[in-house]
Amino acid sequence: EAGVTQFPSHSVIEKGQTVTLRCDPISGHDNLYWYRRVMGKEIKFLLHFVKESKQDESGMPNNRFLAERTGGTYSTLKVQPAELEDSGVYFCASSHTLAAQQFFGPGTRLTVL
Amino acid sequence: AQKITQTQPGMFVQEKEAVTLDCTYDTSDPSYGLFWYKQPSSGEMIFLIYQGSYDQQNATEGRYSLNFQKARKSANLVISASQLGDSAMYFCAMREMDTGRRALTFGSGTRLQVQP
Repeated sequence: EAGVTQFPSHSVIEKGQTVTLRCDPISGHDNLYWYRRVMGKEIKFLLHFVKESKQDESGMPNNRFLAERTGGTYSTLKVQPAELEDSGVYFCASSHTLAAQQFFGPGTRLTVL
Repeated sequence: AQKITQTQPGMFVQEKEAVTLDCTYDTSDPSYGLFWYKQPSSGEMIFLIYQGSYDQQNATEGRYSLNFQKARKSANLVISASQLGDSAMYFCAMREMDTGRRALTFGSGTRLQVQP
């Protein structure tokens, strides 16, 4: 069984540009989560999808971040326009049920110059 | 509000020895789950072990065990017989069950280095 995959593994962009991160959860997992770790800080929750619906987006930092999960399969996280403080590692996780363990992807390292 | 504290930014251990990584937590929810994840240099987050707040016994998974002391709100990870491949970042995390939120709250992590 394939694990959670994320693309790209690294992205380097300039301030003001747009970047889109993609997450493919484990097949059959309805729950998909986005987290991020900015330099030197804790891993922070961003949002949670159940299928295609946003269950909890309380961690989204501001309206420059837009997450979608059309069709309830893969998800994208768009940052537009990117700022320097957006640099960090963005993790995606998925779980089969709400109570189940979350399986994490390898993360996307975003660097905003 | 829920909070996880890992007070050891870095730890060293000799190969084949045991090591304890500290984790304390704070929550007002009586039902919660505690998790430990390992993040090697390759970057992926690997689930290690889980402890539920109502579990009567400490969780164990191979060389990993969780020293759960509910009254002290601590959930320390014990790695027995350390191996060089155990060198990594280790994160303690918690999820409250009664709030309906399923987000994990993470500590700041402990970097473990196993020395030969």
